[in-house]
Amino acid sequence: DSGVTQTPKHLITATGQRVTLRCSPRSGDLSVYWYQQSLDQGLQFLIQYYNGEERAKGNILERFSAQQFPDLHSELNLSSLELGDSALYFCASSVTVRSGGPPETQYFGPGTRLLVL
Amino acid sequence: DAKTTQPTSMDCAEGRAANLPCNHSTISGNEYVYWYRQIHSQGPQYIIHGLKNNETNEMASLIITEDRKSSTLILPHATLRDTAVYYCIVTGTYKYIFGTGTRLKVLA
Repeated sequence: DSGVTQTPKHLITATGQRVTLRCSPRSGDLSVYWYQQSLDQGLQFLIQYYNGEERAKGNILERFSAQQFPDLHSELNLSSLELGDSALYFCASSVTVRSGGPPETQYFGPGTRLLVL
Repeated sequence: DAKTTQPTSMDCAEGRAANLPCNHSTISGNEYVYWYRQIHSQGPQYIIHGLKNNETNEMASLIITEDRKSSTLILPHATLRDTAVYYCIVTGTYKYIFGTGTRLKVLA
């Protein structure tokens, strides 16, 4: 158990819909990362938040957005869903002692499996 | 971030040491080597990381060559529960780039 929690575990929805995935980081961790894992693309970094602020963006579509709240939990919002958005979505967290420092160990949650029909 | 090359798959007998190689010939001086594994579709699990010295923890050992162009993850006594995809990641920042990893199968 990494200490990172994600809800829901499974989500089934239809094309065109919008969903929200939730992540609670490990106690004390200030950074949250979101990743997408699909069959054909592998694990891809989407976005990082640090203490409520967006820190870095990866291959995140414009239809996707995220935020980190004052209690440090994060939500990933996926809208106008397409069949190709079906994937596992993982959240990870790290301490982030200081901005711009060496890489930190990221601890991953169990993921949310999204199926778009 | 440096690109890594790993064998697609490996088998290991239960109880034997599993040695998983990773090539990262373009690694730069401030980049670390991280190893994670993913069992089925669970979240990636952190194993170990290092910069240039060899490292050991309760899960594994990491051997980094002197020129840092390659490394080996060693699981000293593999069990069936070690069957997973193992990812070698080289990074100097927050950004993890996951390749396709090595699918390790531990055989009874």
